Amino acid sequence: AQTVTQSQPEMSVQEAETVTLSCTYDTSESDYYLFWYKQPPSRQMILVIRQEAYKQQNATENRFSVNFQKAAKSFSLKISDSQLGDAAMYFCAYRSNFGNEKLTFGTGTRLTIIP
Amino acid sequence: DAGVIQSPRHEVTEMGQEVTLRCKPISGHDYLFWYRQTMMQGLELLVYFNNKAVMDDSGMPKDRFSAKMPNASFSTLKIQPSEPRDSAVYFCASSPEGLSNQPQHFGDGTRLSIL
Repeated sequence: AQTVTQSQPEMSVQEAETVTLSCTYDTSESDYYLFWYKQPPSRQMILVIRQEAYKQQNATENRFSVNFQKAAKSFSLKISDSQLGDAAMYFCAYRSNFGNEKLTFGTGTRLTIIP
Repeated sequence: DAGVIQSPRHEVTEMGQEVTLRCKPISGHDYLFWYRQTMMQGLELLVYFNNKAVMDDSGMPKDRFSAKMPNASFSTLKIQPSEPRDSAVYFCASSPEGLSNQPQHFGDGTRLSIL
């Protein structure tokens, strides 16, 4: 079974600075998808960014980018120019490309933005 | 297009009562997922459907939980009898069939409190 580990329960960053959230995963599969979801206090689950394992190029979405290291099974999220609205829980998630569509989530990292 | 719609948003009931959570997926989405979020277990999949058929319910306690999808635009998750340990936020999510990199879109969740 796949597992996802987020080793940083909490992180904080000064507004306008850059922060990196860590995620590692364990799988024996070669083809899969990785996601970062954001959960603000409103408890919505909002997709931040996604990465296909077969793509070597790291995904980017405006101020959000990932560092995908397939061999190391690492998938970190970098947030540049942090804004107050980025404060939330961030969840890393894995999805297989071999039949089971379920997401396996990490335990989350609570990100605080310091004004 | 409207997002995933869940009802109720909050539910407070006494132990032993039947609880019914409802979900309307995004129109045209063939996959529907029920997740549960607790402080102790994090986000975990209970059950998911593809074209109204159960694909994986290995995470659902079957003695008291049941999930149904009578048509493509409606699903229910029932708990009978409810127990205090069922207190959690229950999320419904949907995604389209086809390309596996399509993300799951989440509803706003139902916060369930069993007294």
